Amino acid sequence: KQEVTQIPAALSVPEGENLVLNCSFTDSAIYNLQWFRQDPGKGLTSLLLIQSSQREQTSGRLNASLDKSSGRSTLYIAASQPGDSATYLCAVGFWAGGTSYGKLTFGQGTILTVHP
Amino acid sequence: ETGVTQTPRHLVMGMTNKKSLKCEQHLGHNAMYWYKQSAKKPLELMFVYNFKEQTENNSVPSRFSPECPNSSHLFLHLHTLQPEDSALYLCASSLHGLLDPYEQYFGPGTRLTVT
Repeated sequence: KQEVTQIPAALSVPEGENLVLNCSFTDSAIYNLQWFRQDPGKGLTSLLLIQSSQREQTSGRLNASLDKSSGRSTLYIAASQPGDSATYLCAVGFWAGGTSYGKLTFGQGTILTVHP
Repeated sequence: ETGVTQTPRHLVMGMTNKKSLKCEQHLGHNAMYWYKQSAKKPLELMFVYNFKEQTENNSVPSRFSPECPNSSHLFLHLHTLQPEDSALYLCASSLHGLLDPYEQYFGPGTRLTVT
């Protein structure tokens, strides 16, 4: 059974800092990995998706890397801003055996607070 | 706006009530999902519909009953719920084929409180 762990559970940083969020998974037979952002009481916003054949993806100040063999992904946020405060979720996608659809297994998330 | 809408956004119901949650996607996707997010727990997959056929039921109690009348609409019918069913219920959709990149798009969720 796939298990996804995110470290740290919570992080508080001053504005302007560069930071790294970590995600690890137990089964390397994944299809892709997605990083999401969730604001309090809201739904999920997809930030980056990395296919299993890729090593990293970038979008603005965000960079996500994937190392399938070691079962790890990192989300790097450059020059953090108060508006980045949210919960960041990592989810690994894999084919459900014998079917034509995929499944996502989520970590518990990292709660990020960026203070001015 | 992700192209996935959910109604209602907030719902308070008693344990003897019957209510339904609605999800609609405007993305032309062919797979839809219900997830449950409880406090301090990871998102849990409840149901998956692929081409309107239920392909996954993740050991969900029968007091939750999904319905997918077409590939754009998904419902979750609720009856005789328990207080521990209070949670954020999220709907998602994706486009599937064996070679598709498979990215899930989420709705804003329905905050359910069972009293």
